[in-house]
Amino acid sequence: AQSVTQPDIHITVSEGASLELRCNYSYGATPYLFWYVQSPGQGLQLLLKYFSGDTLVQGIKGFEAEFKRSQSSFNLRKPSVHWSDAAEYFCAGKRGGADGLTFGKGTHLIIQP
Amino acid sequence: GAVVSQHPSWVICKSGTSVKIECRSLDFQATTMFWYRQFPKQSLMLMATSNEGSKATYEQGVEKDKFLINHASLTLSTLTVTSAHPEDSSFYICSARGGGRYEQYFGPGTRLTVT
Repeated sequence: AQSVTQPDIHITVSEGASLELRCNYSYGATPYLFWYVQSPGQGLQLLLKYFSGDTLVQGIKGFEAEFKRSQSSFNLRKPSVHWSDAAEYFCAGKRGGADGLTFGKGTHLIIQP
Repeated sequence: GAVVSQHPSWVICKSGTSVKIECRSLDFQATTMFWYRQFPKQSLMLMATSNEGSKATYEQGVEKDKFLINHASLTLSTLTVTSAHPEDSSFYICSARGGGRYEQYFGPGTRLTVT
C-alpha cells in the first residue's frame, strides 16, 4: 500500500538555525510529492511539490526539498527558520495526477527564541 | 489565484440531524474535488473524490450513505453528514484540482461538533 511517513512528531529548533523535516514514501513508482504547512486556524498551504525532473525543489517562504529515490525520501529544509515558521508540516503523496493525497502524520515545529 | 472556500467554518448540530458543508473554488474550475477528515492533532484522511457530474468515489471504510457528496458544478461540491452522531465530530477539509494542474488547493476547513 502507498504510504507517507514522517518519523518526527515534534521538532524544536532555535530561531535562525537550520531545519530539516523528514519524509519517507512507499510507492511502486515515482509519486507526486508535496509539502504543506498548516497554521492554527488556517488552511493547508502548499510549500512545494515534486513531480519529475530536478530533484531539488524550491518552494515558498525559503523552503526547499530534495527527492532522493535511493532513500525513498523527500525531506524539507530551510537554512534559517523564523518564529513565524512554527506550525504543523505535512508531507503528502499520490500516485497519479488525479488521485487524492495520502498524508503523513505531520511534524509539529516549535521555534525557540 | 486558486482560492478555495468552505462554508460554514464551524457548525454545531444535535445528534440525529444532518448538516451540509459547501466547498467552492472561487477563481478556477475544479474538475475534481476531494474531501478529507482531520481528527484533533492528527493527519488528514481522504474520504472521497468527486468529479463534476459524476458520483463520488469513496475510500474504504467511509460510509457513502452517511457522507453524501455532490459535485454538481465546476465550482461547488457539498458534503452532507446525515444523521450525525458525536463520533462524526471532526474537522472536514475540502480541496480542489483543476486547470490542468496536479496540485490540490485546500479550503480552510469546517469544524463540525455533534452534541
